[in-house]
This record gives sequence, structure tokens and C-alpha cells, in this order.
Amino acid sequence: QKEVEQNSGPLSVPEGAIASLNCTYSDRGSQSFFWYRQYSGKSPELIMSIYSNGDKEDGRFTAQLNKASQYVSLLIRDSQPSDSATYLCAAQARGGADGLTFGKGTHLIIQP
Amino acid sequence: DVKVTQSSRYLVKRTGEKVFLECVQDMDHENMFWYRQDPGLGLRLIYFSYDVKMKEKGDIPEGYSVSREKKERFSLILESASTNQTSMYLCASSAYNSPLHFGNGTRLTVT
Repeated sequence: QKEVEQNSGPLSVPEGAIASLNCTYSDRGSQSFFWYRQYSGKSPELIMSIYSNGDKEDGRFTAQLNKASQYVSLLIRDSQPSDSATYLCAAQARGGADGLTFGKGTHLIIQP
Repeated sequence: DVKVTQSSRYLVKRTGEKVFLECVQDMDHENMFWYRQDPGLGLRLIYFSYDVKMKEKGDIPEGYSVSREKKERFSLILESASTNQTSMYLCASSAYNSPLHFGNGTRLTVT
């Protein structure tokens, strides 16, 4: 059974600080990893993808992948109140025809 | 930008009704998916399709069926709606080895 585990939170971070979100995955066959942001009542929105070990930066977001430890993380620098949302970590096997395995999400609250 | 369109944003149906949820994507993606999302349970895969007329069961297919007659359209069918199928339904599409793009979701209430 493929699983992606996340701490459900809530994770409370002061405005301007760095928010650190983590997840682990069970399937060593997973090739691709994604972070989605989901606002309450809305559908998930892709914010980062990462395919190889190391860091990938996009604006205020940095995704980190360690395949040996089966660990994925997302850092949000200079956190803003608009970053308050649920963040979903997802893993994908090669090809992706059978979809993504999602974690249950971490609820992030940025305190003004 | 990828556009995935779900036909209804909100839907209210009665127990025992046959319910159709429609999804259309405009990016010529091979793969299409139906998930449901419930508090505390996260996103769960119902059915997926990697080609026209092809369908595969996901993790929770019971009580559902799907249809993919055209590449751009993937329909989810609740044969006889029950109250435990009250949920947010999310359609998504993807190209090979690429992330999923979601529609806006359909919040279905079965009374």
C-alpha cells in the first residue's frame, strides 16, 4: 500500500518567518513529487514539483527531496497571511498513469 | 494554461438517484482521474483512465462507474446515490509523467 504521511497540524508561523512542511513516502518506486496548496473550499493548486535529490527553488518556495530517506519538504520564506492554507504532498510512480498518492495535508496558519 | 472544467459546482440529489458528474479538459491529456475528498480522509482515488474507453479502478470504486468516450471527457456515475457519497468530487487530468491539474470540484450532497 502506497502511503504519504504528513503532520496534519495546524502549523502556526509568524508573518515573515520561514514555514517548514514535511512529508515521508513509503513507495520506493515513486519518481516524482509535488506540493499542492489548497484553500478552504477550493481545489488543490500545484505550487512545486521535484524529481531529483536536492533542492529546487521557485520564488519564496523551496522543495527538498531525499530519496534515500524517502523524505520531501517544502520551505516557504517570508511567509505571508495569504500562504495560510492546507498543503498537500503527493508522490507519483513512473509514468503517472495511476495518479498521485496524496498525504492528508498540513494546515498552515500564518499569524499577522 | 490547463483548464479542467467540472459541470457543476454544487449538486443536491436524493438517495437512490442516478448521478452524473461531468469533466472536460482542454489540453489533450491522456490521463484523467476522479478523486473524492473528505475531512480527515484526504484525497482518495475513485477511478482513472489512461486512454479513451479505458478505465481502471482506484482505491474506492464501489458504488461508482465511469465513462470515457472521448479523450477530453471523463464522466463519473453514481448508480444509486447514497448519503455516504456526500463529498467533494475532484476531477483531474495529466500528461504522461506530469503532475495533475484539478478542476474546481463538485460538492455533492445526497439527502
